[in-house]
Amino acid sequence: AQSVAQPEDQVNVAEGNPLTVKCTYSVSGNPYLFWYVQYPNRGLQFLLKYITGDNLVKGSYGFEAEFNKSQTSFHLKKPSALVSDSALYFCAVRPYLSGTYKYIFGTGTRLKVLA
Amino acid sequence: NAGVTQTPKFRILKIGQSMTLQCAQDMNHNYMYWYRQDPGMGLKLIYYSVGAGITDKGEVPNGYNVSRSTTEDFPLRLELAAPSQTSVYFCASSPSGDTEAFFGQGTRLTVV
Repeated sequence: AQSVAQPEDQVNVAEGNPLTVKCTYSVSGNPYLFWYVQYPNRGLQFLLKYITGDNLVKGSYGFEAEFNKSQTSFHLKKPSALVSDSALYFCAVRPYLSGTYKYIFGTGTRLKVLA
Repeated sequence: NAGVTQTPKFRILKIGQSMTLQCAQDMNHNYMYWYRQDPGMGLKLIYYSVGAGITDKGEVPNGYNVSRSTTEDFPLRLELAAPSQTSVYFCASSPSGDTEAFFGQGTRLTVV
């Protein structure tokens, strides 16, 4: 079955420290992988994606993610966390199923950056 | 730039009532989606459309219906509201299958 796992419900990090939000996936074929961020009472906003090419993908607001095919992971990272990064983060995979593309979302990880 | 617009933002329904959640996008995207978001459950796909006149079921379609008569609009219909449909509903669109999606701000629905 196609799936995405975000093993941590919440990640706490001190401001200025590096952060990592984990994501692993299970899909057949080549995955399209995405990270989205959700601020309170808002819709999801696109951060970055991996389609093909370099395993390190850079996105909005200083975030980056590393695609690791052997570990089937796509962890989100940022070298120096800001309090304003506190939000809910979703990993998503987009397999090609039944003739079309569909997103499969993880359950989300709440990031809390402490001042 | 309007993007994806959802109305209403909030609604309280009584059990058995019906309503339509509206979604419109002005980006000429072919793909449109309806998701529901429940606490700790991530987003579940209800219905999606790959173009005007074409719709298909997602993971959790029971209790919902959709139509796509134009590229811009993708309304979601609840015919007989049930408490299990209490959730936050998000509409999204994307230009094609391998691109990122753009989300509306959501509709918070409570069924009592």
